[in-house]
Parts: sequence; structure tokens; C-alpha cells
Amino acid sequence: AIQLTQSPSSLSASVGDRVTITCRASQGISSALVWYQQKPGKGPKVLIYDASSLESGVPSRFSGSGSGTDFTLTISSLQPEDFATYYCQQFNNYPRTFGQGTKVEIK
Amino acid sequence: QVQLVESGGGVVQPGRSLRLSCAAAGFTFSSYGMHWVRQAPGKGLEWVAVITYDGSNKLYADSVNGRFTISRDNSKNTLYLQMNSLRAEDTAVYYCANDQGSGRGYWGQGTLVTVSS
Repeated sequence: AIQLTQSPSSLSASVGDRVTITCRASQGISSALVWYQQKPGKGPKVLIYDASSLESGVPSRFSGSGSGTDFTLTISSLQPEDFATYYCQQFNNYPRTFGQGTKVEIK
Repeated sequence: QVQLVESGGGVVQPGRSLRLSCAAAGFTFSSYGMHWVRQAPGKGLEWVAVITYDGSNKLYADSVNGRFTISRDNSKNTLYLQMNSLRAEDTAVYYCANDQGSGRGYWGQGTLVTVSS
């Protein structure tokens, strides 16, 4: 199974900060990566698909980049509603696997 | 709008069975593959199983293969997960999600399964 390593596992940031989360795959997955946001008690929500495509309705401060094994999710200016846990997932093959998550907390 | 509503969770003893349901609305259910994904309390996400749009193909995570069965009834717009021989490590919130390709899809709110004696 493809392993996804996310970093950091948690971070503290202030409103307005630029935040970057990375996801590294144990083997190449082309652009078959999705980024999710999850808030407590809720199911995950797609932010970025195909590694860099912004899902409809998602604010443009979210962006994704990368291909192959190294991927990045960037929040250009953190907003209060962005405090949540973020996961990457590969859909290149089965079993689909997730990164361990990055919890973004208020500084 | 898309709605996915899971049900059937609860407390069950180790070794027993439970069937989860996922009622879909707001999209053409019979056109999409569907997944089950779970999340143990305070932990990350784990993919469990997938079924194609017509039910002809199914895949499972190694951790549940041979114990869990995914199925669907397109006439009822409902996805199922039959869970047998449950173990303590199956304790989790179970989510259903549709597969719109390219990693896109909607998720439900989840149903909690607790395996405990």
C-alpha cells in the first residue's frame, strides 16, 4: 500500500498567516491526490482534487501543488473558519490511503 | 443538494454483527461508485471498502476483508456495510462517500460503531 506522510502533524497559527502543509507519497502517484478539511463532528470536505484543482465553492485562499511524490496545500491567509484538521489522500490505486492529518490550531 | 445519511451504528459485543446503511439523495445514486471510510475515536481516516456504480465490483481493506461486505440497492438509493465478527479495533465513526472521480465526492456525517463487551 502507498504510504502518505503529512507534515507537520499539528501547527499553531494566527489569523492572516500563510500556512503550508506537505504530503509525501512512498511512491509516485502522478496527480492523484486530494486534500480534505475536517471539522469536529463532521465528515471531511474536499478542498483540492487532482492535486491542484480547487473544488467548487472553496475559497481561493486554498491552493494545492505538486505531482509524483511531493504535494503541498497552502492557505494564503488563514481565516477563523479554517481552524480544522486537514488530510491528504491518494486515489492512484487501492487501497486508498490517507495522510495522518494536520491539526491547525489558533495561536 | 447531495445528502448522505448513515445509520445503523451502536454498541455491539465482540464477535457479533451489525449492518450499516447510507441513504443517498440529491444525485443519481446508480451512476456513482460508493465508499465506506472509518475513523477511530481521535484518530485519522481509514478507507474500508468501495463498490462500483452497478455493484459488480467490490474491494476491501485488508483489515476488514473476509469480515465486511459492501452492497447497494440502487432501487432504494441505499448503500450498505454488513460487518461480521466485529472486533474492538473496528470501533469508529463510519462514513459513506460518493465517488465523483478525480478524488472528488461528498461525505455523510457518519455513524458511530462501538465494539465492546
